[in-house]
Amino acid sequence: LAKTTQPISMDSYEGQEVNITCSHNNIATNDYITWYQQFPSQGPRFIIQGYKTKVTNEVASLFIPADRKSSTLSLPRVSLSDTAVYYCLVVRWEGSQGNLIFGKGTKLSVKP
Amino acid sequence: DADVTQTPRNRITKTGKRIMLECSQTKGHDRMYWYRQDPGLGLRLIYYSFDVKDINKGEISDGYSVSRQAQAKFSLSLESAIPNQTALYFCATSDSPSYNEQFFGPGTRLTVL
Repeated sequence: LAKTTQPISMDSYEGQEVNITCSHNNIATNDYITWYQQFPSQGPRFIIQGYKTKVTNEVASLFIPADRKSSTLSLPRVSLSDTAVYYCLVVRWEGSQGNLIFGKGTKLSVKP
Repeated sequence: DADVTQTPRNRITKTGKRIMLECSQTKGHDRMYWYRQDPGLGLRLIYYSFDVKDINKGEISDGYSVSRQAQAKFSLSLESAIPNQTALYFCATSDSPSYNEQFFGPGTRLTVL
């Protein structure tokens, strides 16, 4: 099973770009990399998913190198409302057996 | 109205009591999940269901049971609650398995005294 390792916490200021890196050394060929955001007392919210290279949507970019052993979530120009916990998941489905493991996540604090 | 709802939102109970947490969804998704979250930790998967006839154990299923009454309803039961089951419980749904986007409910805060 591909476990993930992320920094426990990060600090940033409004307007800065924030990059959160996740390590997943044991990632397998069929695994996807997914990121979620969670605000206090709320359920997690899907941000972005990728398999390789770069994926971009309206809120973030995800960079995945060729060896796929790590990934970086990039949040452009953060605001105070981006203060949350960010989870990196490596998701694998094999038939009816699923493996979704949320690690402890990275607590991002955005300051004015 | 919210797409994924959970009832109750908060519950305090005593050790040994039977508790049922309910989840309903209007998204039309086949897949539903139950997670628990402990303070300072990520979410851990308890059970998941791909359709009404398919139930699968997750990472921490001991002490829990589930029922998929319909496509839209997935219930989690604690047959005999114990204090270390005090946690925040989330229900989630998803559609396409290859995309892995899950939609979470607002959570149920359960306290077992």
